[in-house]
Amino acid sequence: GAGVSQTPSNKVTEKGKYVELRCDPISGHTALYWYRQSLGQGPEFLIYFQGTGAADDSGLPNDRFFAVRPEGSVSTLKIQRTERGDSAVYLCASSLTPGSGELFFGEGSRLTVL
Amino acid sequence: AQSVTQLGSHVSVSEGALVLLRCNYSSSVPPYLFWYVQYPNQGLQLLLKYTSAATLVKGINGFEAEFKKSETSFHLTKPSAHMSDAAEYFCAVSDQGAQKLVFGQGTRLTINP
Repeated sequence: GAGVSQTPSNKVTEKGKYVELRCDPISGHTALYWYRQSLGQGPEFLIYFQGTGAADDSGLPNDRFFAVRPEGSVSTLKIQRTERGDSAVYLCASSLTPGSGELFFGEGSRLTVL
Repeated sequence: AQSVTQLGSHVSVSEGALVLLRCNYSSSVPPYLFWYVQYPNQGLQLLLKYTSAATLVKGINGFEAEFKKSETSFHLTKPSAHMSDAAEYFCAVSDQGAQKLVFGQGTRLTINP
């Protein structure tokens, strides 16, 4: 399809392990966003890319979290030394018009840390 | 800092009845305001947005919202609920750069036949 694609849809891992979550945005969308949604909460901003560069990473909770977008398309969110509190749905969104607030979201990657 | 409060985590209405989902915001600068909807097993979709033009904003699927600065509110309404409106609805606020949306906790709407 032509929407935002996220893989894996579900990931179960053990505390302390390393995890990568992938996002493939809509073709031509230069802006890409990562949000995190905990149970019973709304999405919480993590990081925003404009092209290849992270324009705003103020939402990353600590230095265990890192995201890249090396070619300005696909992005990977990387979590080191996972903790049980990292369990959440990680949402990726892209936008054709940065600054419009018109985001197209993927279905999310559900991360469970045991 | 900006924030959003959605009153009522669950709202239930009968098919054909008025839908009213409440959202109040806090912002130190003129805000942009949004409603997003999440249907089961789908990603969030933009319903409508306010960006300082008309205070009454019309969105998709018959929904509309009114920006009331004096009440710091942006409530979402629909005159007649359909079964297909059952979903989770999120209100969000940003500054006028709109690069970082701050979401409320969501309201789950249930439609009774």
